[in-house]
Amino acid sequence: GENVEQHPSTLSVQEGDSAVIKCTYSDSASNYFPWYKQELGKGPQLIIDIRSNVGEKKDQRIAVTLNKTAKHFSLHITETQPEDSAVYFCAPRGGSSASKIIFGSGTRLSIRP
Amino acid sequence: AAGVIQSPRHLIKEKRETATLKCYPIPRHDTVYWYQQGPGQDPQFLISFYEKMQSDKGSIPDRFSAQQFSDYHSELNMSSLELGDSALYFCASSSSGTSSGFQETQYFGPGTRLLVL
Repeated sequence: GENVEQHPSTLSVQEGDSAVIKCTYSDSASNYFPWYKQELGKGPQLIIDIRSNVGEKKDQRIAVTLNKTAKHFSLHITETQPEDSAVYFCAPRGGSSASKIIFGSGTRLSIRP
Repeated sequence: AAGVIQSPRHLIKEKRETATLKCYPIPRHDTVYWYQQGPGQDPQFLISFYEKMQSDKGSIPDRFSAQQFSDYHSELNMSSLELGDSALYFCASSSSGTSSGFQETQYFGPGTRLLVL
């Protein structure tokens, strides 16, 4: 099964600075790489995703980069704002049949004003 | 856009009671997943359904059961509740067969917060 690790586990950045979270996975069959944001007491919300036929994707202040050879993908948040404070989860999956998400331990991002 | 709907949003039960959580997937989504998130923990997969059939099973206790109905909504039935069942229960839904061999995105509901006293 998939073994997922996120680094760092906690991250504190000054408002306006950038934040980068890295996700390492083990299953070479993984072909879908989403990032979820979970605010306290709420459900995980998809913020960006990428499929294995693309190396990078950007949506305003958020970007995801994929390195399939090294089996890792990263979340980049620029110009961080207080509302970016949350727990972020990566959830790589593979195959063509719908499959469960195995959550890693997540990264708690705090934005300092 | 329509999202996943879960009801109730909050539920308080006594030990040994039963509870039923409901999930209404995004329209035209045929796959439903249930996850449990204990305090300070990561979400853990419980069970999933595709086209009304159980498609995968995770760490779901024998005291729990679930099903998906003909309108694709799903219910999680929990019996003989224990204090340790207190958690956030999330439902997620996805569609199938539209991404040419890639995994489909799972969209999560707001969750049901269950408190067992």
